Amino acid sequence: EVQLVESGGGLVQPGRSMKLSCAASGFTFNNYDMAWVCQAPKKGLEWVATIRYDGSSTYYRDSVKGRFTISRDNAKSTLYLQLDSLRSEDTATYYCARPRVYEQLFDYWGQGVMVTVSS
Amino acid sequence: DIQMTQSPASLSASLGETVTIECLASEDIYSNLAWYQQKPGKSPQLLIYDTSSLQDGVPSRFSGSESGTQYSLEINSLQSEDAATYFCQQHHDYPPTFGGGTKLELK
Repeated sequence: EVQLVESGGGLVQPGRSMKLSCAASGFTFNNYDMAWVCQAPKKGLEWVATIRYDGSSTYYRDSVKGRFTISRDNAKSTLYLQLDSLRSEDTATYYCARPRVYEQLFDYWGQGVMVTVSS
Repeated sequence: DIQMTQSPASLSASLGETVTIECLASEDIYSNLAWYQQKPGKSPQLLIYDTSSLQDGVPSRFSGSESGTQYSLEINSLQSEDAATYFCQQHHDYPPTFGGGTKLELK
């Protein structure tokens, strides 16, 4: 059974940093690209970033470029999202998601982790 | 970025009815359209991809279609467990973009 379990969220002040983790199991992690998708409270879904299966390439939405960094450790089957220079508008639930092979649609999602940026 | 305009924002229907949710893409996405269901407090679940292909385990009362850049999700014979918010997403081009969502309530 595919499982994605996020951790690391919480309350953080504007301008500070936070690192999210996503532990994957139930599939061959290093065969799949991985992604983060966020959802602001009572709002819709927004793709945040994707990393290739081997970590060779990363892709970001414009609003997080230069502030967020997606990475992975295939030996640990873990995905990460480093969030720097956080802003109030980054407040959201962040989901770890697995894209289908060769596609940017998401067939498995984690339960999500809440990040609240507030002073 | 490709814009996905989803309608309606909310709708209310009775058990056993059929409802349709629509998504309009701002440009041609070549049938690369997915639908997700999200129940309160839960993560989204993939229902349909490539416009009309059902994800494993999804009931056949869910179906998808397209007409040009307009995409539709139809839910037949509504069940109580179908109460949720539904999102469309284009998976044709980066960045992948979602519609604003449709909240379906059962009367």
